[in-house]
Amino acid sequence: KAGVTQTPRYLIKTRGQQVTLSCSPISGHRSVSWYQQTPGQGLQFLFEYFSETQRNKGNFPGRFSGRQFSNSRSEMNVSTLELGDSALYLCASSFWGGPEAFFGQGTRLTVV
Amino acid sequence: QQQVKQSPQSLIVQKGGISIINCAYENTAFDYFPWYQQFPGKGPALLIAIRPDVSEKKEGRFTISFNKSAKQFSLHIMDSQPGDSATYFCAASKGVSNTGKLIFGQGTTLQVKP
Repeated sequence: KAGVTQTPRYLIKTRGQQVTLSCSPISGHRSVSWYQQTPGQGLQFLFEYFSETQRNKGNFPGRFSGRQFSNSRSEMNVSTLELGDSALYLCASSFWGGPEAFFGQGTRLTVV
Repeated sequence: QQQVKQSPQSLIVQKGGISIINCAYENTAFDYFPWYQQFPGKGPALLIAIRPDVSEKKEGRFTISFNKSAKQFSLHIMDSQPGDSATYFCAASKGVSNTGKLIFGQGTTLQVKP
């Protein structure tokens, strides 16, 4: 069974731009969660989607948004990028939204 | 407010030794406590997890010890190997009632010397 796939693996963007990251969950998994990982703040929860609905949200500004499609694939969007948004963005999937989550390799975003 | 505190920040162990990483939590509503292992350039991988109705869980060389009254849990890696060198994260979740949200500790970088 294929794991969680995130694309692209690396991104370099300029301050003020926006970016869209993609996540394909494990086949059959309906829940997708997003996390931001930085050396200073560690792993922080962004939001979780289940059956195309956002069920849970972390403490991030509205510039961070997401959505989920009917095939459970999810996208995350960050608008008006700031230097502090540079991070590894991780997607995790689980079967029904329970706590057992499986992570992708992440997208490394660098904002310059 | 940091809800899961992890220590130590870094750990160096000789091959064959025991690696011990500790975590403490504050929220008594947490009911699922996983440990993740992360290698450079990779996403975290679920290693082992425990629920508070069990005091210990063992899978191969990895053991979680759980102390509900102290609100603490720890990961023991027996017979540590150089291939275990990675960053380890403890986490906590409210499980069914707080779907999809894991609260992570700050991580422990483990180096196992040959």
